[in-house]
Amino acid sequence: SQKIEQNSEALNIQEGKTATLTCNYTNYSPAYLQWYRQDPGRGPVFLLLIRENEKEKRKERLKVTFDTTLKQSLFHITASQPADSATYLCALLRGGGKLIFGQGTELSVKP
Amino acid sequence: GAVVSQHPSWVICKSGTSVKIECRSLDFQATTMFWYRQFPKQSLMLMATSNEGSKATYEQGVEKDKFLINHASLTLSTLTVTSAHPEDSSFYICSARDPPYGGHGETSTDTQYFGPGTRLTVL
Repeated sequence: SQKIEQNSEALNIQEGKTATLTCNYTNYSPAYLQWYRQDPGRGPVFLLLIRENEKEKRKERLKVTFDTTLKQSLFHITASQPADSATYLCALLRGGGKLIFGQGTELSVKP
Repeated sequence: GAVVSQHPSWVICKSGTSVKIECRSLDFQATTMFWYRQFPKQSLMLMATSNEGSKATYEQGVEKDKFLINHASLTLSTLTVTSAHPEDSSFYICSARDPPYGGHGETSTDTQYFGPGTRLTVL
């Protein structure tokens, strides 16, 4: 069955450093992959989408890479700030517009 | 950007009662909405797909008679948890699918815009 794995352990980093989150998937060949941010008690917020024919995508301090050979996406936040603290979810598209989500990685940026 | 609202944001009810949750797309029309459930420290689990003007399709293991979904208009989908029990306590989140474009060289990215969620507590 299709499986998405994110690092379940929380990631703690110092302000100003680059945070790198990992998303691995198996038994799947998605046309694209998405990253969302979720704050406690809130719904997810869309951040970035990367297509299978794109190796890298950037948006301000965010960068996403997509390696379809490794079946892996990396999500980077450069010059991280305490306001970046949240849970980050990766999601893959199933048929009919349905998304499968990873379990999320909790990021904590310390001042 | 696209905005999706949910109402109520939280609800507490007694076991055996029914609770209705509304999901609205405020600035776009959504022919497809999705309902998710999220338990603490876990990911979003898709419950069902709500299609405007037709019956919802449910994921495996989700009881359609317990979780009634109605998508009566292009901007509103409702989820009714019938005869709620404590194990139904969870965070319910809806999303609206980015409407597909056509004829202009663009394709839908299938981005979903999520509501803020509804915290249901069944006593």
